[in-house]
Amino acid sequence: GQQLNQSPQSMFIQEGEDVSMNCTSSSIFNTWLWYKQEPGEGPVLLIALYKAGELTSNGRLTAQFGITRKDSFLNISASIPSDVGIYFCAGVYGGSQGNLIFGKGTKLSVKP
Amino acid sequence: DAGVIQSPRHEVTEMGQEVTLRCKPISGHDYLFWYRQTMMRGLELLIYFNNNVPIDDSGMPEDRFSAKMPNASFSTLKIQPSEPRDSAVYFCASSLYGAEKLFFGSGTQLSVL
Repeated sequence: GQQLNQSPQSMFIQEGEDVSMNCTSSSIFNTWLWYKQEPGEGPVLLIALYKAGELTSNGRLTAQFGITRKDSFLNISASIPSDVGIYFCAGVYGGSQGNLIFGKGTKLSVKP
Repeated sequence: DAGVIQSPRHEVTEMGQEVTLRCKPISGHDYLFWYRQTMMRGLELLIYFNNNVPIDDSGMPEDRFSAKMPNASFSTLKIQPSEPRDSAVYFCASSLYGAEKLFFGSGTQLSVL
């Protein structure tokens, strides 16, 4: 079945540093999504990508839809303490509008 | 809008008991999803509805799990009988555009002892 490999599993960085995480798969996806989850809450959508090669920004966050449609990455520039949380990639595949799978997440810790 | 509302936030029950989780989607959203989150398996889709009709329930673990959506503003996920391995956080999410742009509730933390 479909599977997303997200890396790294966790990151410990200093405030002000840039962060990069990625998601890969052996399967092709129609849409890539990046979510952030904070403790005790559900995931919140950060960025949606719809076309191969697309590069989209949301404030300090930048994400790209890989050319092969099998990967995506998320960058966070100049991290701040409130960036702490778990970041999930997710991919939409196939024809059904419910076909969405999530990566296992990257846990980000930011030291002030 | 208040967002997706789930209840209860926490549920502790004993093995064998029936558990009912509730969800109120965002008004106007035609899609409703139930997900389960565990450390081992991450976020797993259990079932989703479109216009109150179940479309894909292939993620429902077994017959002990059932979900209903009697109207556009309410859905339930029931586990009967519950087992310790059902312990997880259960999320409800709704959207206008299928699996894209899901809005998640705050989840129900279920502990089955």
